[in-house]
Amino acid sequence: QVQLQESGPGLVKPSETLSLTCTVSGVSIRSNYWSWLRQPPGKGLEWITYISYSGNTNYNPSLKSRVTISIDTSKNQFSLKLTSVTAADTAVYYCARIYSGIDHWGQGTLVTVSS
Amino acid sequence: QSALTQPASVSGSPGQSITISCTGTSNDVGGYNYVSWYQQYPGKAPKLMIFDVSKRPSGVSDRFSGSKSGNTASLTISGLQAEDEADYYCASHTSSSTVIFGGGTKLTAL
Repeated sequence: QVQLQESGPGLVKPSETLSLTCTVSGVSIRSNYWSWLRQPPGKGLEWITYISYSGNTNYNPSLKSRVTISIDTSKNQFSLKLTSVTAADTAVYYCARIYSGIDHWGQGTLVTVSS
Repeated sequence: QSALTQPASVSGSPGQSITISCTGTSNDVGGYNYVSWYQQYPGKAPKLMIFDVSKRPSGVSDRFSGSKSGNTASLTISGLQAEDEADYYCASHTSSSTVIFGGGTKLTAL
């Protein structure tokens, strides 16, 4: 079955770069679209970005200037970089597959921005 | 892009039907049949309940149904059960090929 697992630091200092990787198993990353989303504590879901295996990308306009998504088909992984983070970027970050809707999600990883 | 509009909370008694609305614009909900709904329990990842306005993924109870009229999509849960108590989010494809979510609705089973 399709499984996604986020990995990366749980604590990032203000003004630094948040980096997360999503490892996909059970399906080749060479199909469908792959996405990052986040959810600040006690708040709603926010879509951040998506990428296709061929490298087609799109970004949330409110985050576009700070976000980069990339894909590594050899490792069946995709990654997120968010620069110049502030406390407002503290959230649970989810990686997910977009197929018919967002049909598979990772368990989520809490990233706290604090000095 | 502004978030889709959902009621903050809805409630219902076991066995009743409830409907959660999700209002957008012609640039998202009204313009495409790509509305999806997600159920989320506290501390858990969201689960896809409806995609493409009214389609149910395999394994989702047929008590869950979706529809759309103009710029407003709706999720209806019939025969409400205690286990349906959760947060529900709608999402839509947009004219910029981005994804936009609603603010979420907390469903309470009385």
